[in-house]
Amino acid sequence: TQLLEQSPQFLSIQEGENLTVYCNSSSVFSSLQWYRQEPGEGPVLLVTVVTGGEVKKLKRLTFQFGDARKDSSLHITAAQPGDTGLYLCAGAVDQKLVFGQGTRLTINP
Amino acid sequence: KAGVTQTPRYLIKTRGQQVTLSCSPISGHRSVSWYQQTPGQGLQFLFEYFSETQRNKGNFPGRFSGRQFSNSRSEMNVSTLELGDSALYLCASSLGGLGTGELFFGEGSRLTVL
Repeated sequence: TQLLEQSPQFLSIQEGENLTVYCNSSSVFSSLQWYRQEPGEGPVLLVTVVTGGEVKKLKRLTFQFGDARKDSSLHITAAQPGDTGLYLCAGAVDQKLVFGQGTRLTINP
Repeated sequence: KAGVTQTPRYLIKTRGQQVTLSCSPISGHRSVSWYQQTPGQGLQFLFEYFSETQRNKGNFPGRFSGRQFSNSRSEMNVSTLELGDSALYLCASSLGGLGTGELFFGEGSRLTVL
């Protein structure tokens, strides 16, 4: 049973479009992280959100942590080909890190 | 500052064999955690070591084991390999506990079991 459900699993859009990736759970997390992984490499941390309702912005990426700390979203504005990759959310619970299955994003020029 | 180093990068084994993977964390990092990544199951937590002690363990059979040395380098071992063990094995190092800070991942060891 996957504690963290990511949707969509695959997303292919044109350069310049906006998109949102969701990370949902029935569990409460003390913190939630988003990572991006490119082929042949390990995941790289994008952001950590800790407080319910928190919103963090990283250039064209906006991350939100749900009020109940059970879900999160990642919104990308004006997507660029360089945004292509596997996006993973990870929640901290019971001193473990649980990962979602990931969203494979492809931005077409 | 050197990143997380995993060796070997690629390896091929046959069913029934055993394998040992190595991970050298970033200097000063005392926590090393291991993950199995497959297309079907995504990234799954194996275990975490902190100061040579296993601090937490995921839901994997006893064939999967690990250890950490006094210099924080870590190894994981998989015995009696099965076809389903084919995966990318990632290790990550961090200063503190999981979820409290950034995880720095290595590039992974890709294991193929034939």
